[in-house]
Amino acid sequence: AQKVTQAQTEISVVEKEDVTLDCVYETRDTTYYLFWYKQPPSGELVFLIRRNSFDEQNEISGRYSWNFQKSTSSFNFTITASQVVDSAVYFCALSMNYGGSQGNLIFGKGTKLSVKP
Amino acid sequence: DTGVSQNPRHKITKRGQNVTFRCDPISEHNRLYWYRQTLGQGPEFLTYFQNEAQLEKSRLLSDRFSAERPKGSFSTLEIQRTEQGDSAMYLCASSPLDWGAEAFFGQGTRLTVV
Repeated sequence: AQKVTQAQTEISVVEKEDVTLDCVYETRDTTYYLFWYKQPPSGELVFLIRRNSFDEQNEISGRYSWNFQKSTSSFNFTITASQVVDSAVYFCALSMNYGGSQGNLIFGKGTKLSVKP
Repeated sequence: DTGVSQNPRHKITKRGQNVTFRCDPISEHNRLYWYRQTLGQGPEFLTYFQNEAQLEKSRLLSDRFSAERPKGSFSTLEIQRTEQGDSAMYLCASSPLDWGAEAFFGQGTRLTVV
């Protein structure tokens, strides 16, 4: 079965702290994509980052970085020097490519991040 | 392009009534998805279209739900004989044909069934 688990329900940090959001996924497929989306209070899901299953290279993009490890089926996301505007619910999602299911996203339950000034 | 647009933003309806939501995707996107999100949960896939063809429907999509995408442009999601359990945020997303491409989401339609 395909599944995404975000064990952290809520995280609260003080501005400028670094914060890591955990994501563990399950899939029997060898070809897949992993995503992180942000959902601010306005409700619109905003794409943040994407990684495909063939590329385990970890990257940094501005204040965002991610750690993809196939051996542990984890795709963790780090915000460096957090800001109040980072307060939102963050979702990890899995997209597979099999049969008729192409591009459908399976989401975790989300982690609510609160950044306090 | 102004992104994915959904209307209405909010809908309150009485149990048993029919409701219809509209989604206007990003114009050059071939794929259109509908998701449902309840409080404290992640979005759950309902159905998706590639151009005008509806290619997959989730088991969540009971026979009271129907979706269309005439001419591969905008899409509508209709719920017949609404139930209180249908209360949720209904999200629409669109993406290019590349299955690994990111999906762009609308702001959603919040349905409350009273």
